[in-house]
Amino acid sequence: AQTVTQSQPEMSVQEAETVTLSCTYDTSENNYYLFWYKQPPSRQMILVIRQEAYKQQNATENRFSVNFQKAAKSFSLKISDSQLGDTAMYFCAFMKHDNYGQNFVFGPGTRLSVLP
Amino acid sequence: KAGVTQTPRYLIKTRGQQVTLSCSPISGHRSVSWYQQTPGQGLQFLFEYFSETQRNKGNFPGRFSGRQFSNSRSEMNVSTLELGDSALYLCASSLERASSNTEAFFGQGTRLTVV
Repeated sequence: AQTVTQSQPEMSVQEAETVTLSCTYDTSENNYYLFWYKQPPSRQMILVIRQEAYKQQNATENRFSVNFQKAAKSFSLKISDSQLGDTAMYFCAFMKHDNYGQNFVFGPGTRLSVLP
Repeated sequence: KAGVTQTPRYLIKTRGQQVTLSCSPISGHRSVSWYQQTPGQGLQFLFEYFSETQRNKGNFPGRFSGRQFSNSRSEMNVSTLELGDSALYLCASSLERASSNTEAFFGQGTRLTVV
């Protein structure tokens, strides 16, 4: 079974600063996907960034980038130039890549507050 | 295009009752997954349906069931409600199987309160 750990229950950052959220996971799979989702107070989960495990290059999406270390099973999210709208719960998630169905395994989340 | 629609948004039920929640996926999406979100347990996978068949199931008791219709709309049912079933129930839809092009889109959830 896969597990996802997020060791920082809460974090805060000043507007325009950079913050890094940590995520580690445990799996015996070789092919999988990793995701960061954000859940603002509206409750809707929004995809922030996605990484395929077979790709060595770290994914980037505007102000969001990841540091994917496959051997260490680490998948951290860096948010640059933090904005007030980035305030939300952030969930790291794992998904196997196989033909037997698909489901996310989520970490417990990190509550990020961006301070003015 | 329209997003994932979950109805109702809020629901209050009494212990012992049953409840049915609905999820309408994005048009063209054939995979619908359900998740339970609670402060104590976080986000937990319930089940996934693909083309009307349950393709994957989480570790929940048999009181939790679901189905998917030919138009890909999905319902989940919880029978004999317990206080611990109070949660936000999220539905996610995606095109097909996990791939480099797959993105799952989530609805805003149904907040179920059992009293």
